[in-house]
Amino acid sequence: EVQLVESGGGLVQPGGSLRLSCAASGFTFSSYSMNWVRQAPGKGLEWVSYISSSSSTIYYADSVKGRFTISRDNAKNSLYLQMNSLRAEDTAVYYCARVRGGSYLDWGQGTLVTVSS
Amino acid sequence: DIVMTQTPLSSPVTLGQPASISCRSSQSLVHSDGNTYLSWLQQRPGQPPRLLIYKISNRFSGVPDRFSGSGAGTDFTLKISRVEAEDVGVYYCTQATQFPWTFGQGTKVEIK
Repeated sequence: EVQLVESGGGLVQPGGSLRLSCAASGFTFSSYSMNWVRQAPGKGLEWVSYISSSSSTIYYADSVKGRFTISRDNAKNSLYLQMNSLRAEDTAVYYCARVRGGSYLDWGQGTLVTVSS
Repeated sequence: DIVMTQTPLSSPVTLGQPASISCRSSQSLVHSDGNTYLSWLQQRPGQPPRLLIYKISNRFSGVPDRFSGSGAGTDFTLKISRVEAEDVGVYYCTQATQFPWTFGQGTKVEIK
């Protein structure tokens, strides 16, 4: 069974940093690209970042470019999102998702990030 | 960026009746490899999204056959042939033809 478990969310002040993690199991992690997607409270889905299976290709949404860094450790079956210079508008549930062929195959339960003073 | 526009944004449906959601993209979703990376996701209340349909019309594993997808180019449709209580939630179309990947605003399906 595929499992994606996000962690690292919490309350942070504007300008602060957080590092999200996504622990993957039940599949060959190193064979799949991964995405981070977020959802502000009561709002729709927003794609945040993409990383290919070997980390050779990375993309970011303009809203986070220069502030967020996606990475992965295939030996540890883990995906990460380093978030710096956080703003109130970054408040959201952050999901990691396994992707293949442009499709979101599986999603984690999400971790809530709240940016507030 | 490719803008995805869904209609309607809310769809009250009687149990057992059909429902249809439209999704229009601001430009063609046909990729240079010939595929069209248009998917449909379902998000039940309090749950993460889950994949229903990929590449326009392919049902994902475990998805009931009452869900179907169709369309081409810039116009796509998700149909539920007979709505059941467990279908309540928000449905999103999403494109992965071009970065940044984008989502529609979501369509809330509720029971009348």
